[in-house]
Amino acid sequence: DGGITQSPKYLFRKEGQNVTLSCEQNLNHDAMYWYRQDPGQGLRLIYYSQIVNDFQKGDIAEGYSVSREKKESFPLTVTSAQKNPTAFYLCASRTSGSYETQYFGPGTRLLVL
Amino acid sequence: ELKVEQNPLFLSMQEGKNYTIYCNYSTTSDRLYWYRQDPGKSLESLFVLLSNGAVKQEGRLMASLDTKARLSTLHITAAVHDLSATYFCAGGPYNTDKLIFGTGTRLQVFP
Repeated sequence: DGGITQSPKYLFRKEGQNVTLSCEQNLNHDAMYWYRQDPGQGLRLIYYSQIVNDFQKGDIAEGYSVSREKKESFPLTVTSAQKNPTAFYLCASRTSGSYETQYFGPGTRLLVL
Repeated sequence: ELKVEQNPLFLSMQEGKNYTIYCNYSTTSDRLYWYRQDPGKSLESLFVLLSNGAVKQEGRLMASLDTKARLSTLHITAAVHDLSATYFCAGGPYNTDKLIFGTGTRLQVFP
């Protein structure tokens, strides 16, 4: 089955700790995205990548880092510099063509201990 | 910079009734999307609207786009409980790969 997987489903971070969220897709999509969603809010773009080995900052990149070494994978690291990391993190990948659409993974909920 | 606003933010409606959710955006957007999110879940793509006057329908939901008014609407016909969810619209700023999301409309359908 084609799709986007994210792991873990829940993640707990201690003060000063870096944590990495996994995002994998087997849809052969070139573009991938990371969003953050706070309770009762819309989604805000953290980072995106249109091609392997290249990525751009979104609107709220501070305190986050990414890599894109493989087409299928776009991991997000939440660093200790991100002072308010508690949120729901959603990864997406995008189809190509006229009706290009972003499809979302199931999400990772990050909580701070 | 593109800004997307939805209203209402919360909508409680009776089964069988019709209603419309509005999505206004501030500057040129060359595409407009509607997504659905169930509580605690991810987003599900509903509609992609690309051109002025575009209308898409799926079941009891119909989306339209008026690029001159910078307005998209999501119309609900004869609501049923299964439509209870949060609905987001998102615009794509011209010539970018980004999406800017509205804050969502939480729809609750009661008997």
